[in-house]
Amino acid sequence: DGGITQSPKYLFRKEGQNVTLSCEQNLNHDAMYWYRQDPGQGLRLIYYSQIVNDFQKGDIAEGYSVSREKKESFPLTVTSAQKNPTAFYLCASSIGQGTRSYNEQFFGPGTRLTVL
Amino acid sequence: GNSVTQMEGPVTLSEEAFLTINCTYTATGYPSLFWYVQYPGEGLQLLLKATKADDKGSNKGFEATYRKETTSFHLEKGSVQVSDSAVYFCALAYMNYGGSQGNLIFGKGTKLSVKP
Repeated sequence: DGGITQSPKYLFRKEGQNVTLSCEQNLNHDAMYWYRQDPGQGLRLIYYSQIVNDFQKGDIAEGYSVSREKKESFPLTVTSAQKNPTAFYLCASSIGQGTRSYNEQFFGPGTRLTVL
Repeated sequence: GNSVTQMEGPVTLSEEAFLTINCTYTATGYPSLFWYVQYPGEGLQLLLKATKADDKGSNKGFEATYRKETTSFHLEKGSVQVSDSAVYFCALAYMNYGGSQGNLIFGKGTKLSVKP
């Protein structure tokens, strides 16, 4: 079955540690995204990538970093510079820019990060 | 700038009641409009979409009509079920006059609880 997987489902981190969240898709999508979801805040875009080896900052990129070395994978690192990292993180993908379905995004199940 | 405003929840209904969740938007150009649904503990799923004025999106008994004159995209369902309990997100993707596509902008979400 095609889809998006995120791991782990729950992640606990001590203050001051970097942590990497995994996102893999087998939908052959060009574009991938990372969102942060907080209660009552909706979804906010952290980073996105429209093609391999290229990515852009979203609305709240400070304290985060990403890489896109393979089409299938778009890991997100939450660094110690992120002041309030406890949140639910969602990864998504879509067919590439320039298509009618560009913004029909498919989402993974999410990773809940808690900083202790 | 571009934004989405949806009614605050939570919304609590009895089974078989009529549902309306209001969504209005502000956008330049010609946005596409979407409703996504998030079931407890999961990522988001695309529920329906509309890409131009007067289009009606529909899926699983839900409907929404793209009203340019009122800048609205209200979600409706004639008879809700307990299984419809979820958080519903309205979103837009703006298109500029050059034809390039922007990313999704989400509303804050409306939680729906349906009681038997």
